[in-house]
Amino acid sequence: GESVGLHLPTLSVQEGDNSIINCAYSNSASDYFIWYKQESGKGPQFIIDIRSNMDKRQGQRVTVLLNKTVKHLSLQIAATQPGDSAVYFCADLNNNDMRFGAGTRLTVKP
Amino acid sequence: ETGVTQTPRHLVMGMTNKKSLKCEQHLGHNAMYWYKQSAKKPLELMFVYNFKEQTENNSVPSRFSPECPNSSHLFLHLHTLQPEDSALYLCASSQDWTGDYGYTFGSGTRLTVV
Repeated sequence: GESVGLHLPTLSVQEGDNSIINCAYSNSASDYFIWYKQESGKGPQFIIDIRSNMDKRQGQRVTVLLNKTVKHLSLQIAATQPGDSAVYFCADLNNNDMRFGAGTRLTVKP
Repeated sequence: ETGVTQTPRHLVMGMTNKKSLKCEQHLGHNAMYWYKQSAKKPLELMFVYNFKEQTENNSVPSRFSPECPNSSHLFLHLHTLQPEDSALYLCASSQDWTGDYGYTFGSGTRLTVV
């Protein structure tokens, strides 16, 4: 069946660098996308969302890019900080069905 | 705190035990969900409740029994579990069953079946 997936399971970046986490989705009918952050011992936390009528949305230090042509979603974190270390996963919504990817573990090196 | 509270945070139970997980939200949300999170796997949807009515049972074994007495509370009753049921069980809520505007998750219950 169709599912949301991630390109890389782990990502290591230097503190202060920018991070890019990618996500591929397969359902072309999906119209709403969310990035979640999950820290150790906690539940997933909403970071930023984007609807299919947009291709870019910015938050505080985070930007989500949506490329519907290739069904690709990315999360960019500017000036990555130690507190950004977590598992990040994307989710897509189609017809009231929310699907989650497996996650990418981001490690920030001091 | 996210507004979704789960208890207990950790639970160790034997295969013959009966236990319950509790979830509570006071966000005014009308839909609540149980998810299972295993290592290196995507979140697995177990149950969906909309206005305290179960709208989805995602082929979950009968040893997991949900209960939703009202829109603010959700339980997951466990009995005769297997070791492979050990996982993080997450409760989530959303404004309504469409999932629009995303889900708010609790911190989860880390379940270990011995």
